[in-house]
Amino acid sequence: EVQLVESGGGLVQPGRSMKLSCAASGFTFSSFYMAWVRRPPTKGLEWVASISTGGGTAYYRDSVKGRFTISRDNAKSTLYLQMDSLRSEDTATYYCARFYPYYFDYWGQGVMVTVSS
Amino acid sequence: DIVMTQDTLPNPVPSGESASITCQSSKSLLHSNGKTYLNWYLQRPGQSPQLLIYWMSTRESGVSDRFSGSGSGTDFTLKISSVEAEDVGVYYCQQFLEYPSTFGAGTKLELK
Repeated sequence: EVQLVESGGGLVQPGRSMKLSCAASGFTFSSFYMAWVRRPPTKGLEWVASISTGGGTAYYRDSVKGRFTISRDNAKSTLYLQMDSLRSEDTATYYCARFYPYYFDYWGQGVMVTVSS
Repeated sequence: DIVMTQDTLPNPVPSGESASITCQSSKSLLHSNGKTYLNWYLQRPGQSPQLLIYWMSTRESGVSDRFSGSGSGTDFTLKISSVEAEDVGVYYCQQFLEYPSTFGAGTKLELK
């Protein structure tokens, strides 16, 4: 059974950093692109970033470019999202998702990130 | 960026009735390979999103056949026949023709 379990969320002050993790199981992690998608409170879903199977190629939405870094450790079957210079508008529930061309077929349960002083 | 626009539903929908959710894209999502890269997801209250339909009209494995997707290059419809209590939630369309992938604002389905 495919499972994606996010961790690392919480309350953080504006301008600070936070790192999210997503532990994957039930499939060959290294064979799939992976992604982060978020849902801000009272808003809809937003794609945040995607990463290739080997980690050599990454894509980001404009509002997080230069501040967020997506990465993966295939030996640990784990996806990461390093978030720096956090802003209040980054407050959201963050989901890890498996990418199958061209849709997200499995999603984690989500982790809440609140950026506030 | 490709803009995805979703309509609202005339809520609430009576149980057992059908419902159609529409979505428009600002650019054709028809790829040169013949596939249309438009997906539909349902996010039930308190849950993570669930894939319903991919490539405009292919139902994901395990999804009820009450859900069907159709459309053209820029206009899409998700039809739910005989709405049930478990269908309540927010429906999102998503384009994956190009990065950045974009979602519609969501359409809320409430049951009468």
